[in-house]
Amino acid sequence: GQQVMQIPQYQHVQEGEDFTTYCNSSTTLSNIQWYKQRPGGHPVFLIQLVKSGEVKKQKRLTFQFGEAKKNSSLHITATQTTDVGTYFCAGPMGTYKYIFGTGTRLKVLA
Amino acid sequence: SQTIHQWPATLVQPVGSPLSLECTVEGTSNPNLYWYRQAAGRGLQLLFYSVGIGQISSEVPQNLSASRPQDRQFILSSKKLLLSDSGFYLCAWTEGNTEAFFGQGTRLTVV
Repeated sequence: GQQVMQIPQYQHVQEGEDFTTYCNSSTTLSNIQWYKQRPGGHPVFLIQLVKSGEVKKQKRLTFQFGEAKKNSSLHITATQTTDVGTYFCAGPMGTYKYIFGTGTRLKVLA
Repeated sequence: SQTIHQWPATLVQPVGSPLSLECTVEGTSNPNLYWYRQAAGRGLQLLFYSVGIGQISSEVPQNLSASRPQDRQFILSSKKLLLSDSGFYLCAWTEGNTEAFFGQGTRLTVV
């Protein structure tokens, strides 16, 4: 079946280090979304990418959609303790279904 | 503005007991509604989605069911809970292929 995988599953970084999570879909996606879930909380939407090769930035976060629209990445520059949480990518599978990636749990050590 | 309400926040239920989780959305019409389950430290598993009243699509066949009796109400049910039903249940809504808005979630522990 259709799957969305993320690597790594876990990442511990020192505060100030960079962080990247990668998202790979088994099928081509019309768009891809990224969410952040703080510990004990619910996922919160960060951004949506639609175009092949698209790059978007939000302050220290850089999001990229692959040329083939089957992969994406989220890069955080100079992590802070507020970046702690699990980052999910999500893609529509069909018209209405959203399939979430397996998530990358980020821990930032002060 | 749109809001989504999900309750209860936490629930402890014995094995074999019934379950009913409710989710309501305000401020929008004809939303797409979703139920996800998240096991501890894991990803989100899509359980059910609905694109209209009475229309339910099931992604994972198990002892859970969903219903949408009203446009902005989505209910997750079970007749007899299993230990494996424990998890964090999240309701979400979207308008087409736009961002998903999640409720606060229900943390269910089956004992």
